[in-house]
Amino acid sequence: GENVEQHPSTLSVQEGDSAVIKCTYSDSASNYFPWYKQELGKRPQLIIDIRSNVGEKKDQRIAVTLNKTAKHFSLHITETQPEDSAVYFCAARGSGGSYIPTFGRGTSLIVHP
Amino acid sequence: GAGVSQSPSNKVTEKGKDVELRCDPISGHTALYWYRQSLGQGLEFLIYFQGNSAPDKSGLPSDRFSAERTGGSVSTLTIQRTQQEDSAVYLCASSLGGLAGAPGTITGELFFGEGSRLTVL
Repeated sequence: GENVEQHPSTLSVQEGDSAVIKCTYSDSASNYFPWYKQELGKRPQLIIDIRSNVGEKKDQRIAVTLNKTAKHFSLHITETQPEDSAVYFCAARGSGGSYIPTFGRGTSLIVHP
Repeated sequence: GAGVSQSPSNKVTEKGKDVELRCDPISGHTALYWYRQSLGQGLEFLIYFQGNSAPDKSGLPSDRFSAERTGGSVSTLTIQRTQQEDSAVYLCASSLGGLAGAPGTITGELFFGEGSRLTVL
């Protein structure tokens, strides 16, 4: 089955800095890569996703890049703000006939004012 | 409400007791997932339901765990003879579609509930 590795497990930055979270996946058939944000005590929510037919996608201060050859994808947050502090999960989903995303272990992002 | 609803939000039980956790997905969502979230362990897949198809139970950690989905809507996750290692937050999620290429699968977004926090003493 699919295996998703996520790094770092904890990331601490100053407000205004950029933050990058990286994930690798094992199944070359995976074709959908979402990112979820989970604030403390809240449910995970989708913030951005990318499909395997594109290499980069942006939405305001967040962007995701995908390298299919290397089987890795990254989340980039620019001009970080304290409200960006949360746990971020990457996931990969295959095309084998079902939609079961495999999640990484999460990155706890702390943005210091 | 319009979101995924889970109950109870918190459950404390004694080792060896059975527990039932309930999930009410978003109306019209054919796919339903159960995940378990332990501290530092990310989101561990448990079971997946898609329409009337047989569920994918490949993530259930032992035969003490079972789940059903009645009428294609509400789902119940049952843990028998609970153990301390079962303590975790159990998250339910639903999405529009499940099978690749099925209508309505414009996005793969999962909509999560708030979770049921289970503590086994």
